[in-house]
Amino acid sequence: ETAVFQTPNYHVTQVGNEVSFNCKQTLGHDTMYWYKQDSKKLLKIMFSYNNKQLIVNETVPRRFSPQSSDKAHLNLRIKSVEPEDSAVYLCASSLGGQGTGQLYFGEGSKLTVL
Amino acid sequence: GDSVTQMQGQVTLSEDDFLFINCTYSTTWYPTLFWYVQYPGEGPQLLLKVTTANNKGISRGFEATYDKGTTSFHLQKASVQESDSAVYYCVVSGSFNKLTFGAGTRLAVCP
Repeated sequence: ETAVFQTPNYHVTQVGNEVSFNCKQTLGHDTMYWYKQDSKKLLKIMFSYNNKQLIVNETVPRRFSPQSSDKAHLNLRIKSVEPEDSAVYLCASSLGGQGTGQLYFGEGSKLTVL
Repeated sequence: GDSVTQMQGQVTLSEDDFLFINCTYSTTWYPTLFWYVQYPGEGPQLLLKVTTANNKGISRGFEATYDKGTTSFHLQKASVQESDSAVYYCVVSGSFNKLTFGAGTRLAVCP
């Protein structure tokens, strides 16, 4: 049963446009994440957010920014998309930090940049 | 930092075949090891967890074993079905309370 909800599931846009992906979790978890999954299925963490503490993967370009209104929501904004941003963006949540290993993922938001 | 290596990028089997996926890892801390599975059109989900205390995990017909001496971690299933077709990730929780995902193994099971 899905408990991490992502919208939209698909988005096609052109280079230079702004894109936002929304994520909501109904599990009562205190930590949320954004992962990027490329065409080879490689998963890379982009951000984690816990109690208003944001941890950023230093390899993430500055055009990406997370936005959170409360611990159940973590959105992802891309200011000016590039072709290499085409990927599936996966939102996840956990009770406690990554180290618990028990992440719950959404179904993903697939971005195609033309 | 920690690292996880899954050498098998793609595995193709027939139904009722035996599945064995190997994973090696490196960490400076006491690891907890996981296998995640991602079915088509879905996000990854936790399949199995193995700690250094129990050395083995079993779930949904899958079995994971851990070998501290070789720092390896295997996933196996005696008889795969077409519905097992998915991507399987080896994941390590080690240093600095972080998760490290392997590159994933795509399993295709033919009827």
